[in-house]
Order: sequence, then C-alpha cells, then structure tokens
Amino acid sequence: GAVVSQHPSWVICKSGTSVKIECRSLDFQATTMFWYRQFPKQSLMLMATSNEGSKATYEQGVEKDKFLINHASLTLSTLTVTSAHPEDSSFYICSAIRTGDQPQHFGDGTRLSIL
Amino acid sequence: GDSVTQMEGPVTLSEEAFLTINCTYTATGYPSLFWYVQYPGEGLQLLLKATKADDKGSNKGFEATYRKETTSFHLEKGSVQVSDSAVYFCALTNTGGFKTIFGAGTRLFVKA
Repeated sequence: GAVVSQHPSWVICKSGTSVKIECRSLDFQATTMFWYRQFPKQSLMLMATSNEGSKATYEQGVEKDKFLINHASLTLSTLTVTSAHPEDSSFYICSAIRTGDQPQHFGDGTRLSIL
Repeated sequence: GDSVTQMEGPVTLSEEAFLTINCTYTATGYPSLFWYVQYPGEGLQLLLKATKADDKGSNKGFEATYRKETTSFHLEKGSVQVSDSAVYFCALTNTGGFKTIFGAGTRLFVKA
C-alpha cells in the first residue's frame, strides 16, 4: 500500500531555532500534500495545503512566515517552523494524496518540543 | 460549512464487548466518508471508507454504513480487543475538493 514517511519523528530544540520537517511519499507521486497540527487530545487542524511546484495555501490564522512550506517535487514536501517558540510545541502530521485518488495517506507525525 | 460531529469519549469497554461510535455529518452535495484510527504517538491510518449512500465500509471487523437519510456513518465492531485501544476519527471529503473535515476524535480504551 501507499506509504508516507515523515522525518524526524521527534525533535527537541531551543527557543529561536528553526526546525525542518520532511514528508515523503515513498511509492507514489503526490501532487497535493497537507500539513496538520494536533494539540493533545484534540483533532487535527489543517494548517496548509501544499501543491507541487506552487505556493502553499494556508488556512486562516496560520502564519505563512512562521510555517514555511515547500513542495519541490512530487514526492517531497517540507515544513519549516521558523524561530520556534514554546507555543509552537505540538504534534505535526503530514498527509499526501495520490494523484487523482482519495483518501489521504498519513505520515506518522513529528512531535516538536521547544524548550 | 461542512462539519463532522462524533460522540465524545473516552469510551471504555471490556474485551469482546460491542462497540458503537456515533458520527453524523453536515455537508452539501455527496461527500465521501471515512473512519481513521490513530494509535498512541502515531499518525492516522485509514480504517474504512464509503463513497455513496448505503455503501458499507468494513475492515478488521469494523463496519460503518453511509446513511444519507440520517446523515450518519456510525462505526461498529462486534467484539473489541485490547489492541483496538486508540483514537478514532470520523471524516468527510466533499465532492470536487481535497480538503478533509475531521471530527474531534473518540478515544477508546479496551480493558482485558
């Protein structure tokens, strides 16, 4: 089946650091990838929709300059949390859609802890 | 706008008990409906789906039927196991779009 790999799975860093999270579709081409944020014991909040070769579409209230998204190829999207602060600590999950197919295939998530 | 409402948890059951997790939705058009499962510390996995009215999705003993008349997609399993302990999310994707709307999630605990 389709596999989406997310890396790293866990990162701890100091306040002010920028952190990059990678999302790869391992066995299919994904024209669209999604980035979600999940707070403890809550549902997923869509942050942005990432389309290969074009700018990401951010949801209302999500800071574009804080959460930089790049979708440079059909198999890779990256989320960079710039100048991270403790309030950015969360579980970030990516998902990908196989071209012309549903449903979404999810990565295993990245737990980000900012000290 | 489109929305998904599912029963609040946590739900605590003994092994081999019957499980129902209610899910209702509001949507224009003809959405596809999904149940996802999230095990601790992991991302979401698709459990089952249904793309049109009266379709029944099933997987690993779980079932859900797309009921357009009641706008529902309740998840059921006849005999739960400890390994079924997880958070279950009901979700929909509407026609013509890629965005998926998730319910709040229902945490299930199964005791041995």
